[in-house]
Amino acid sequence: GNSVTQMEGPVTLSEEAFLTINCTYTATGYPSLFWYVQYPGEGLQLLLKATKADDKGSNKGFEATYRKETTSFHLEKGSVQVSDSAVYFCALTPSNRDDKIIFGKGTRLHILP
Amino acid sequence: EAGVTQFPSHSVIEKGQTVTLRCDPISGHDNLYWYRRVMGKEIKFLLHFVKESKQDESGMPNNRFLAERTGGTYSTLKVQPAELEDSGVYFCASSQWEQGYEQYFGPGTRLTVT
Repeated sequence: GNSVTQMEGPVTLSEEAFLTINCTYTATGYPSLFWYVQYPGEGLQLLLKATKADDKGSNKGFEATYRKETTSFHLEKGSVQVSDSAVYFCALTPSNRDDKIIFGKGTRLHILP
Repeated sequence: EAGVTQFPSHSVIEKGQTVTLRCDPISGHDNLYWYRRVMGKEIKFLLHFVKESKQDESGMPNNRFLAERTGGTYSTLKVQPAELEDSGVYFCASSQWEQGYEQYFGPGTRLTVT
């Protein structure tokens, strides 16, 4: 079946530190991969996505590369800010159509000033 | 353009009571989804409407949950009777093919069953 595994949190970093949140997936076929973010008091927002192998999604300084050989989609940012404090969810859909999203458990990120 | 809205934002009820959650999708979006996040666990799919029809309800946990989308606009999710394990955050999302089926999420309803 389809599933997503991401690193457990919480993750606490100092401002300007390098961030990596690991994510691996299991899927049949050719899934689309996503990172969603939930800021305090807000709903889920799509942060970035990649729809095929070797694609790199990027937004707000965050990046993730679709690695089919390692079934991974790790989230990275070179220099985090306090405003990046949120819960991050790795996710997939089995195709790029109107599929349900399969989420990981989420990783809470705290950035200290 | 207004985003996906959900009501209420928070509901506290006693075990055995009934609660109805509402979701208003983005205007014109045919696809509407319900998801749930139980404390500390992943967000799980509940069901998917296309207009007023249930496309996929494979994630509905049991028959205490009833979802409707009369007229293909807003949707309601009723839990009757509520149990302690129903506590969590219920998210709604909507999408449309012209936007590449990207799902736009509402802020969620936090349900607490005591």
